[in-house]
Amino acid sequence: AQSVTQLDSHVSVSEGTPVLLRCNYSSSYSPSLFWYVQHPNKGLQLLLKYTSAATLVKGINGFEAEFKKSETSFHLTKPSAHMSDAAEYFCVVSARGNQFYFGTGTSLTVIP
Amino acid sequence: DTGVSQDPRHKITKRGQNVTFRCDPISEHNRLYWYRQTLGQGPEFLTYFQNEAQLEKSRLLSDRFSAERPKGSFSTLEIQRTEQGDSAMYLCASSLELGAIGTGGNQPQHFGDGTRLSIL
Repeated sequence: AQSVTQLDSHVSVSEGTPVLLRCNYSSSYSPSLFWYVQHPNKGLQLLLKYTSAATLVKGINGFEAEFKKSETSFHLTKPSAHMSDAAEYFCVVSARGNQFYFGTGTSLTVIP
Repeated sequence: DTGVSQDPRHKITKRGQNVTFRCDPISEHNRLYWYRQTLGQGPEFLTYFQNEAQLEKSRLLSDRFSAERPKGSFSTLEIQRTEQGDSAMYLCASSLELGAIGTGGNQPQHFGDGTRLSIL
């Protein structure tokens, strides 16, 4: 079975400071992991994906994530937050079953 | 724009009415997925197609929900006898899977902007 736990429902950072959004996963198989971002009343946009290649994955808009099998984690980071980063972020796991399992989301607020 | 298109963007209807939503995937994508998203939650998988074949439908919420993709291109999601609990955002996504039918599932999905359903 696959599942995702996003450890923080809300994160607030000041503009220009680092962002850390935490995600732990559970999977019976080698997982593929994704981070998506959702702006209000919009669909989801792919930020980055991990599919068993390099464990440090770089995505769009300066985001990156590191796959740590020993910790079953896939945390999303960005060195410097921008106002436009304010949105809802979803960690997603997929493993063999052709279904995506979404976390409950982390709402990121960026304070000017 | 060649992204995933959903129509309508908003639907308001009275309880008990039937509603149908349409999704046009990215043209070269062979997989199409439907999700439901309620306020404050992540998207919840409902069903998916590879070409015209519906490969998973056990996660549809009840027998009032059905989906079709008759020619392997656009898809429709129908909800019959709507209830207030059906109020949600319905999202469609598509992807390109190169493996045999029913395999893979690790390609990124591209999402439409969704149809927001409100039941009065």
